[in-house]
Amino acid sequence: GQQVMQIPQYQHVQEGEDFTTYCNSSTTLSNIQWYKQRPGGHPVFLIQLVKSGEVKKQKRLTFQFGEAKKNSSLHITATQTTDVGTYFCARSYNQGGKLIFGQGTELSVKP
Amino acid sequence: DSGVTQTPKHLITATGQRVTLRCSPRSGDLSVYWYQQSLDQGLQFLIQYYNGEERAKGNILERFSAQQFPDLHSELNLSSLELGDSALYFCASSVGGDSPNFGPGTRLTVT
Repeated sequence: GQQVMQIPQYQHVQEGEDFTTYCNSSTTLSNIQWYKQRPGGHPVFLIQLVKSGEVKKQKRLTFQFGEAKKNSSLHITATQTTDVGTYFCARSYNQGGKLIFGQGTELSVKP
Repeated sequence: DSGVTQTPKHLITATGQRVTLRCSPRSGDLSVYWYQQSLDQGLQFLIQYYNGEERAKGNILERFSAQQFPDLHSELNLSSLELGDSALYFCASSVGGDSPNFGPGTRLTVT
């Protein structure tokens, strides 16, 4: 019930191609957060989405929150080698304190 | 640099032993979180403290315990270690219940 499912698990792209990872929940989410973890690094907060249908952009990254607040996506346009890493979505459980993470999507970019 | 510090960086110990992981939150942050990251379980929330008091509990084993001290640093104690406890342990901090900033992690190897 609390879990968030993330797909795909792995994505290998050629530099310049687009990339999308999806996050799905069986229950309505109060918010969804996205994190990036570089190889050997720690998760770094990217963004939080709160409103139904919300779309936010950070340079080449576009984040969407579904109308029903049960799914979210992260889209990267024209990937670069610096985009390599694992992207996690996470739902907060009790007003932001506890985060439940998806399994992550590992992105590799071939130059 | 997230401002969260963790020591030690690496820890190798034997089964049955006890270890203590230490975390200093970013200056001004009152909340401290502990997460475990392993290949099979992914990134899992263990426990949260806020200003010295336990705020939320996750999948933390009875062999594990944590505390937050008056100076806000936190320690995670892992006892009767098993091979399956080998993982990356992240500490994260935030002002309240907002998006946590993760530290660099402690890599624990149990042999």
